Amino acid sequence: QSALTQPPSASGSPGQSVTISCTGTSSDVGGYNYVSWYQQHPGKAPKLMIYEVSKRPSGVPDRFSGSKSDNTASLTVSGLQAEDEADYYCTSYAGSSTLFGGGTKLTVL
Amino acid sequence: EVQLVESGGGLVQPGTSLRLSCAASGFTFEDYAIHWVRQTPGKGLEWVSGISWNSKNIGYADSVRGRFTISRDNAKNSLFLQMNSLRPEDTALYYCARDGFNSGWPTDAFDIWGQGTMVTVSS
Repeated sequence: QSALTQPPSASGSPGQSVTISCTGTSSDVGGYNYVSWYQQHPGKAPKLMIYEVSKRPSGVPDRFSGSKSDNTASLTVSGLQAEDEADYYCTSYAGSSTLFGGGTKLTVL
Repeated sequence: EVQLVESGGGLVQPGTSLRLSCAASGFTFEDYAIHWVRQTPGKGLEWVSGISWNSKNIGYADSVRGRFTISRDNAKNSLFLQMNSLRPEDTALYYCARDGFNSGWPTDAFDIWGQGTMVTVSS
């Protein structure tokens, strides 16, 4: 059960777009469409932003989008806003378990 | 209000046991799979364990299998995590989280999270 691989940091200016990657294997990300993304602000519980690769829960702005190609999933944040600055985690079902990525700190410059 | 509230955390010595609880309210508890996820201070998230709505499907991370036991009581809208043989590396904030899209397996996504209960394992 190895963690999914995310870049430790990402950044962008307000209004720009940023994409965060999440790399796994054919046994997790590549094998199932159960990839989700979470946003976590300091001292807060994680918040679901994307589920089943590209679906947005009610209330999540359409600036957030998800996709997947082979063993890599991606979260794109368009039209960056100051409140988007947070840690982002990906997860994937992996057969008998669920794996998290190591997290990416998104900085809005 | 849809809510999960964890309790039972604390400071314990290595090798001892602790039982965490998670109380659900505002939704039909028995309709959902529920999971435990932990976060080491200043670090990332780690899935610990999950249980289907009827307790027939249960999963554990390799790091806790054989030491932790998850269970639920649908009549009391409660989830539990019995943690035995605790190690310093189990020190973390433990969240319970609802799978909002699947009552069993496979795990889909966690749409509701509690605020967490802190477990510290230290001598």
